[in-house]
Amino acid sequence: AQSVTQLGSHVSVSEGALVLLRCNYSSSVPPYLFWYVQYPNQGLQLLLKYTTGATLVKGINGFEAEFKKSETSFHLTKPSAHMSDAAEYFCAVSDRVNKFYFGSGTKLNVKP
Amino acid sequence: ETGVTQSPTHLIKTRGQQVTLRCSSQSGHNTVSWYQQALGQGPQFIFQYYREEENGRGNFPPRFSGLQFPNYSSELNVNALELDDSALYLCASSANDGTYEQYFGPGTRLTVT
Repeated sequence: AQSVTQLGSHVSVSEGALVLLRCNYSSSVPPYLFWYVQYPNQGLQLLLKYTTGATLVKGINGFEAEFKKSETSFHLTKPSAHMSDAAEYFCAVSDRVNKFYFGSGTKLNVKP
Repeated sequence: ETGVTQSPTHLIKTRGQQVTLRCSSQSGHNTVSWYQQALGQGPQFIFQYYREEENGRGNFPPRFSGLQFPNYSSELNVNALELDDSALYLCASSANDGTYEQYFGPGTRLTVT
């Protein structure tokens, strides 16, 4: 079975500071992992994904995530936060067939 | 390239009523998945349609049903609405090409009173 845990429902950082959003997963098969961003009143936008190959994955808007099998983690980072990064972020794992399992989300607040 | 669109954007229904939500998939995509996102939670998988056939289902009762049409657009139908059905319903389309990338629409906000 697949599941995702996102530690911290709210994270607050100052503009220019490091962003770290945590995601741990459980999967009965080698996981496919994703990060999505959701702005208010909008759908989800894919930030990045890991399927196979390089474990450090780069995505849009300067975000990146590293797949660590030993820690069952896929944390999202960005070296320098921008005000426009304020949104809700969701980690998801796929069963490699047709289902995505999402975490409960982390709301990122960026302080000026 | 047209993205995923959903209609209506907002809907208010009364408990016990039935509702139909619609989704137009992105050009070139033959797979549509539906999700329910309750307030403060992540999206929960309802079901997926591939080439007009249901291709997987989450833990939702049979009163949640769907259709996919030859143009790959899709409908989500919910019968006997309950207060707990109030949520944002998201549609996502994908190409079933091994990329596992789903493209989401803006959602339909359903309120059941």
